[in-house]
Amino acid sequence: AQTIHQWPVAEIKAVGSPLSLGCTIKGKSSPNLYWYWQATGGTLQQLFYSITVGQVESVVQLNLSASRPKDDQFILSTEKLLLSHSGFYLCAWSLQDWGYEQYFGPGTRLTVL
Amino acid sequence: GDSVTQTEGPVTVSESESLIINCTYSATSIAYPNLFWYVRYPGEGLQLLLKVITAGQKGSSRGFEATYNKETTSFHLQKASVQESDSAVYYCALNSGGSNAKLTFGKGTKLSVKS
Repeated sequence: AQTIHQWPVAEIKAVGSPLSLGCTIKGKSSPNLYWYWQATGGTLQQLFYSITVGQVESVVQLNLSASRPKDDQFILSTEKLLLSHSGFYLCAWSLQDWGYEQYFGPGTRLTVL
Repeated sequence: GDSVTQTEGPVTVSESESLIINCTYSATSIAYPNLFWYVRYPGEGLQLLLKVITAGQKGSSRGFEATYNKETTSFHLQKASVQESDSAVYYCALNSGGSNAKLTFGKGTKLSVKS
């Protein structure tokens, strides 16, 4: 069975500090990977997607970056956090076809003060 | 761009009553997007509840049903008799393809079921 793990569960960070969020998928080879974000009271929106190791495409510009250093790992990061980065970050995977459903991790709650 | 509009919450229903959460969609790049309902139970992650990829078809899971209506561009979620354990936030979503396979979500509907 496939499992998806995100870390950390929650973070409280200061404005201007760096951030790194991680996601690992086990039990599935070469999945498509995605980062989604939901601001408090907002709508879930896709930030990045990756269909292969080393390749990441940005969907929304939020002064964040993402990388896929391994087939089963997806990293979201920034060097300087903004207040507007607060929210809930979800990692997801799917089979390599857009028609397939996406499976989500438990998420990371980020609070920027 | 694509958009999804669903019933604004919170919605409170008594146990054993029927439920309908409305969802309408607009897909600009494809005539027949894939449609999904996701659910987030308290303290848990986002889970797929059901999906329908063919217009006119019905999907069902855990007593919930949704029919893909291309004429009205709707995908309403229904259940004949809710239970307290159905209390959760429900999200309608569509996927209109493309290389990023982006899911476009509605804002979510928080459902509380009273015993």
